[in-house]
Amino acid sequence: NAGVTQTPKFRVLKTGQSMTLLCAQDMNHEYMYWYRQDPGMGLRLIHYSVGEGTTAKGEVPDGYNVSRLKKQNFLLGLESAAPSQTSVYFCASRAGRAQLQPQHFGDGTRLSIL
Amino acid sequence: AQKVTQAQTEISVVEKEDVTLDCVYETRDTTYYLFWYKQPPSGELVFLIRRNSFDEQNEISGRYSWNFQKSTSSFNFTITASQVVDSAVYFCALSEEDRGSTLGRLYFGRGTQLTVWP
Repeated sequence: NAGVTQTPKFRVLKTGQSMTLLCAQDMNHEYMYWYRQDPGMGLRLIHYSVGEGTTAKGEVPDGYNVSRLKKQNFLLGLESAAPSQTSVYFCASRAGRAQLQPQHFGDGTRLSIL
Repeated sequence: AQKVTQAQTEISVVEKEDVTLDCVYETRDTTYYLFWYKQPPSGELVFLIRRNSFDEQNEISGRYSWNFQKSTSSFNFTITASQVVDSAVYFCALSEEDRGSTLGRLYFGRGTQLTVWP
């Protein structure tokens, strides 16, 4: 009963390093999202995807890139990590246009940039 | 402008007290969806409830109840007889109609940290 799985769960990077966060869902959901959570800010949308091969910018996309090469996977990349990107990252998925369906969230990735 | 406002940053209560978490939202859409999520200390986000804009019936689930009032754009959450295990951050969220620029994204409030003391 996996749902949405994020890897890794924790990571420490040095400024300027690059890395990719992986999100995998096994619910055959069309829509996938990446959010970041910062203290006192709630969750803010970084990028999202409405299907395989499509991506779009959210509220705070700068410094991130994404790819959705397979329906079940949504990758979030940091090309050159900055301390401002220290955050907890959540991936979520939702079944297509069924808006009343809730987004299912992964357990989060805690990322620290030194 | 914040689409979802949770004015209470932190609330502390003693076990068995009732507590209400406030949520005020802003949207121009006539069709929209409201959600509450719980984030316990372990960090995951747990879905609690969803409501669409055409259903103003209040809902009760065990010790939890939700009061949706379109007239005041509020979707408040009440925990009756609170327990220590209710300690968490609670997020209210809004989803507007699917369209090119939003496509089902959730607008989150900043969350309310609830601490229930034994």
